[in-house]
Amino acid sequence: DSGVTQTPKHLITATGQRVTLRCSPRSGDLSVYWYQQSLDQGLQFLIHYYNGEERAKGNILERFSAQQFPDLHSELNLSSLELGDSALYFCASSFGQGFGSPLHFGNGTRLTVT
Amino acid sequence: AQRVTQPEKLLSVFKGAPVELKCNYSYSGSPELFWYVQYSRQRLQLLLRHISRESIKGFTADLNKGETSFHLKKPFAQEEDSAMYYCALGPLNAGNMLTFGGGTRLMVKP
Repeated sequence: DSGVTQTPKHLITATGQRVTLRCSPRSGDLSVYWYQQSLDQGLQFLIHYYNGEERAKGNILERFSAQQFPDLHSELNLSSLELGDSALYFCASSFGQGFGSPLHFGNGTRLTVT
Repeated sequence: AQRVTQPEKLLSVFKGAPVELKCNYSYSGSPELFWYVQYSRQRLQLLLRHISRESIKGFTADLNKGETSFHLKKPFAQEEDSAMYYCALGPLNAGNMLTFGGGTRLMVKP
């Protein structure tokens, strides 16, 4: 077990709504990454936090935001939801920031927007 | 822009046969490349990375800069190799901001 915990496992909501996805990293890991996997697509990098600070942004929409709290857990907020936001959202953690610290993934949150 | 392409969504082989999972990439700089694997009912996990030049569970991958490929190979497939395999690319010294391919499902038949 990698220790990365994501809640909820499944989320069904309507267009226009706002949801919050939560991620608890492995004990001791300082980095949290969020990835989005749409149907039949590879994982797309959204955003990276290290020890509470935003370090990098990928293809993250302005309707999406994230933060990492002092206890190192992270939340991904998705607002004004559209049908196309339906996807599997993965959180991953690592001790450091570079390739020397491999990613440890959670089980993902499956978001369905109806 | 960086892109990773895995041309086969499904690869089916018999136990003991050689396996090659294809990965092609496009990137303007010097990338670091990885293979991640997801076994049934398990989490996505790192299989191997180019920089380590290692062999994990009998798998190897060679970076071919001329062909911009990083194919994953194993000489004799085992049933327990059945899984979803993802090739990923990241810029050197840029952390784990990876671009993943769409994945290839490997099925090893008895």
